[in-house]
Amino acid sequence: TQLLEQSPQFLSIQEGENLTVYCNSSSVFSSLQWYRQEPGEGPVLLVTVVTGGEVKKLKRLTFQFGDARKDSSLHITAAQPGDTGLYLCAGTSGTYKYIFGTGTRLKVLA
Amino acid sequence: ETGVTQSPTHLIKTRGQQVTLRCSSQSGHNTVSWYQQALGQGPQFIFQYYREEENGRGNFPPRFSGLQFPNYSSELNVNALELDDSALYLCASSLQSTGGEHGYTFGSGTRLTVV
Repeated sequence: TQLLEQSPQFLSIQEGENLTVYCNSSSVFSSLQWYRQEPGEGPVLLVTVVTGGEVKKLKRLTFQFGDARKDSSLHITAAQPGDTGLYLCAGTSGTYKYIFGTGTRLKVLA
Repeated sequence: ETGVTQSPTHLIKTRGQQVTLRCSSQSGHNTVSWYQQALGQGPQFIFQYYREEENGRGNFPPRFSGLQFPNYSSELNVNALELDDSALYLCASSLQSTGGEHGYTFGSGTRLTVV
């Protein structure tokens, strides 16, 4: 059974701080996605990574896919209150479904 | 382009009853996946429909069933509701089964409460 574990589960930081969220598995994924979910809404796609070692940047967010394609990280620089939400990683081994991680709930205080 | 629309947004049912949740996929998307998200958890895959056929299923009992229609909209049916079925049910549409580079487009979900 493929599992994706995220750490930390909860994170509360001050505006302007940096943070890193980790997504780990013992399984290899052909691609991995990061989503952000706000209360009362569905997850919204942030990025897809497909190549081992790949790094993608989205403004203040930096995403990295591990060399072995078993793990990923999301780094946020100078966090803002608008970054508050539930961050989910999701991986697929090329079949029909994405396995979602356990989620990291981020709160950025003004 | 329109996004994914789910109805109803909230629902309260009694244990043992049956429920039908509906999803209109994003224009141009032919694949619909359903997920169950318990409070404080990540979404769990229920099943996926591609061109009106079930394309894959997660670890959910047969009382969870679905349909996809020619216009690619979809329904999720749950029979004999149990208290543990209380969750946010998310519908996600995509152009291909794995979502591809553009991933899944999720609806806002249906919050089901079983009492």
